[in-house]
Amino acid sequence: DGGITQSPKYLFRKEGQNVTLSCEQNLNHDAMYWYRQDPGQGLRLIYYSQIVNDFQKGDIAEGYSVSREKKESFPLTVTSAQKNPTAFYLCASTGAWGAATRGNEQFFGPGTRLTVL
Amino acid sequence: AQSVSQHNHHVILSEAASLELGCNYSYGGTVNLFWYVQYPGQHLQLLLKYFSGDPLVKGIKGFEAEFIKSKFSFNLRKPSVQWSDTAEYFCAVNDGGATNKLIFGTGTLLAVQP
Repeated sequence: DGGITQSPKYLFRKEGQNVTLSCEQNLNHDAMYWYRQDPGQGLRLIYYSQIVNDFQKGDIAEGYSVSREKKESFPLTVTSAQKNPTAFYLCASTGAWGAATRGNEQFFGPGTRLTVL
Repeated sequence: AQSVSQHNHHVILSEAASLELGCNYSYGGTVNLFWYVQYPGQHLQLLLKYFSGDPLVKGIKGFEAEFIKSKFSFNLRKPSVQWSDTAEYFCAVNDGGATNKLIFGTGTLLAVQP
């Protein structure tokens, strides 16, 4: 089955620790995205990547970092600099890039719920 | 900057009632519009999208949405809801550029009572 997997499903972190959230897709998609979902605020874009070895900051990138060493993988690190990291994190991907494919939908993973203790 | 507004934060309906969820966006150029749904414990999934052509778009599970350019709106409708429609609904707009970024509304939590 093609799709997006995220792990772990639940993650607990102590204050001051960095944690890395995994996102893997086998859809052969070029573009990948990380969103943060908070109650009453919808989804907000953290980082996105158009292609391997390239990524761009989204609207709320402070305190987060990413890498894109492989097409299939786009891990997100939540650093100790993120002031309020407790949230639900969603990874997404889309098949192509560019103005000609702006109508392509994004496919979402099941999410990781991060709680800071 | 683009933004998306969903004015209904919580909606409670009885089964068989009609549904309309509001969505307004702020962007003057060509837009692509989406409605996503998040059922309890499930992935966020696409309900329907508008890219071009007929402004009345039909999606899965009997949902439809109408793009009204003059009103910057893309309201979601369903003539008769079911208990299984209980979910959170998100309106989103493409940012209009080559990045294919989505701007999401804050979501509407729909509870359908049997």
